[in-house]
Amino acid sequence: LAKTTQPISMDSYEGQEVNITCSHNNIATNDYITWYQQFPSQGPRFIIQGYKTKVTNEVASLFIPADRKSSTLSLPRVSLSDTAVYYCLVGDRYSGAGSYQLTFGKGTKLSVIP
Amino acid sequence: NAGVTQTPKFRILKIGQSMTLQCTQDMNHNYMYWYRQDPGMGLKLIYYSVGAGITDKGEVPNGYNVSRSTTEDFPLRLELAAPSQTSVYFCASSFYGGRRAYEQYFGPGTRLTVT
Repeated sequence: LAKTTQPISMDSYEGQEVNITCSHNNIATNDYITWYQQFPSQGPRFIIQGYKTKVTNEVASLFIPADRKSSTLSLPRVSLSDTAVYYCLVGDRYSGAGSYQLTFGKGTKLSVIP
Repeated sequence: NAGVTQTPKFRILKIGQSMTLQCTQDMNHNYMYWYRQDPGMGLKLIYYSVGAGITDKGEVPNGYNVSRSTTEDFPLRLELAAPSQTSVYFCASSFYGGRRAYEQYFGPGTRLTVT
């Protein structure tokens, strides 16, 4: 199983750019890196996914170096509504059934301060 | 599209009781999943299904059962509720294959308390 390591918590002021880095040293060749966001009392929400280099959407950017052993989620100009837990996941291929099981860790709790 | 819906939202069970958590998706996804999330923790996979009639165990399957008779529905059954099953339960679904399989859509959750 591909394991990930990310900071337990981070604080940021409103309007700042926030970068959350995730380490995944044993990522497999076919694995994608996916980030989810979870607000209190809600299910996780997919925000971005990448394989290599840089991916950007309307919510965030994802930077992945050439060795793919880490990735960085970048949230531009955060607001109070970005306060949430952010999970970095690396897709596992479960060899028996061919299912794509994601392994959720504890995530990074981002607190945005006014 | 409603996405992934779960019922009930909340439930209190006595030890030894049984119940079924319902999950329905209207996105025609082949893959469906059940997770549990204990306070302050990440999600743990209980069971998953790759299509109607096919289910398999995840990381923490003991005390639970599932069935998948249709593409849309994936109910989770607790047979003999125990306090250790107090948790928030999330159902999710995804497309089959490639990068879309890593993009899972989650329901709002069911908060279960066993006393």
